[in-house]
Amino acid sequence: DGGITQSPKYLFRKEGQNVTLSCEQNLNHDAMYWYRQDPGQGLRLIYYSQIVNDFQKGDIAEGYSVSREKKESFPLTVTSAQKNPTAFYLCASKTGGAGSEAFFGQGTRLTVV
Amino acid sequence: RKEVEQDPGPFNVPEGATVAFNCTYSNSASQSFFWYRQDCRKEPKLLMSVYSSGNEDGRFTAQLNRASQYISLLIRDSKLSDSATYLCVVIAGGTSYGKLTFGQGTILTVHP
Repeated sequence: DGGITQSPKYLFRKEGQNVTLSCEQNLNHDAMYWYRQDPGQGLRLIYYSQIVNDFQKGDIAEGYSVSREKKESFPLTVTSAQKNPTAFYLCASKTGGAGSEAFFGQGTRLTVV
Repeated sequence: RKEVEQDPGPFNVPEGATVAFNCTYSNSASQSFFWYRQDCRKEPKLLMSVYSSGNEDGRFTAQLNRASQYISLLIRDSKLSDSATYLCVVIAGGTSYGKLTFGQGTILTVHP
């Protein structure tokens, strides 16, 4: 089945450690996105990529890094520089076309203790 | 000013009620518009796209007003299962691949 997969679903890390969240899609979508959602809040864009080996900062990129070495994969690293990393992280992918929808993975809940 | 703004609510309505949400956007070059639904602790899922001429899908009607830069969602005959957070989404920058920007979401609770 085609879809977008995030792993792990829950992740616990100690403060000061870097952690990488996985996002893989087999939908052959060119564009991929990372969002952060805090309780009771909307989605805020961290990074997005429209093509392999290229990506752009979103609204809250500080403390995060990404890579896009393959079309299918867009991992997000939460670095120790991110001051408040505990959140729900959502990955999405989209094909071209003005009316095409973005598909989301099931999300990763990151808790930093 | 935020790029995309929604009234966060919450909206509490009885079953059978009609409820409307609005969403304003700041970038006049925005090209694509959507409404997504998000259930508690789940990922957002597409409810419907919003077309220039307006569009309807069963009990749901979406409208776009480019002159005033807002989109709306109307839900008729509300069901208990409509309880969720409704997110408006705007693709800015004039390209269909571009930056997807979400509103903060409007919480809807439908009660018996």
